[in-house]
Amino acid sequence: DAKTTQPNSMESNEEEPVHLPCNHSTISGTDYIHWYRQLPSQGPEYVIHGLTSNVNNRMASLAIAEDRKSSTLILHRATLRDAAVYYCILRDLEEYEKLTFGTGTRLTIIP
Amino acid sequence: DSGVTQTPKHLITATGQRVTLRCSPRSGDLSVYWYQQSLDQGLQFLIQYYNGEERAKGNILERFSAQQFPDLHSELNLSSLELGDSALYFCASSTGQGAAEAFFGQGTRLTVV
Repeated sequence: DAKTTQPNSMESNEEEPVHLPCNHSTISGTDYIHWYRQLPSQGPEYVIHGLTSNVNNRMASLAIAEDRKSSTLILHRATLRDAAVYYCILRDLEEYEKLTFGTGTRLTIIP
Repeated sequence: DSGVTQTPKHLITATGQRVTLRCSPRSGDLSVYWYQQSLDQGLQFLIQYYNGEERAKGNILERFSAQQFPDLHSELNLSSLELGDSALYFCASSTGQGAAEAFFGQGTRLTVV
């Protein structure tokens, strides 16, 4: 599996935007970039995914570098409920879509 | 609510015993995945089924087995349990098509004493 690198932890103030970076320098052409998050005592939750173009949904935005070697998950206005571990995952369609989780970024929101 | 149902929510059992964890996927989803999450290991992929057939295998111990039934629910069987098997076990489901997102259940917390 292609690997991703994320900071272990980040802090952000409530109601401020949050930019969560992810490096994936060995990404292949068939890898989709997926983001999931895990709130305390809950199962992981899908956030967003993309292939080449930037993507927006009701939860977040995903900005993908032109060379696809990095991406950034953007939470436009963080709330206390966004405190979670965020996982950036490369999903290879040729490997039957299994998700391989790394250690993720623990996001702390400061009131 | 993800639509994925796992039972039981909690399970306490003794070493050497055998347990079965059950997962009902979201309606229409053909793929089921099992993950183990322990404090020091993070989320480890165990196994994936698609429409009743094994599709991918991860770090699943020989003492563990799984299957997906014709109605698409899945069971994870853990036998000869050891203290180190204590963990959260998550099931996820997806349509199995393309890059479709996976939806996770709330997990079964297994405690082996």
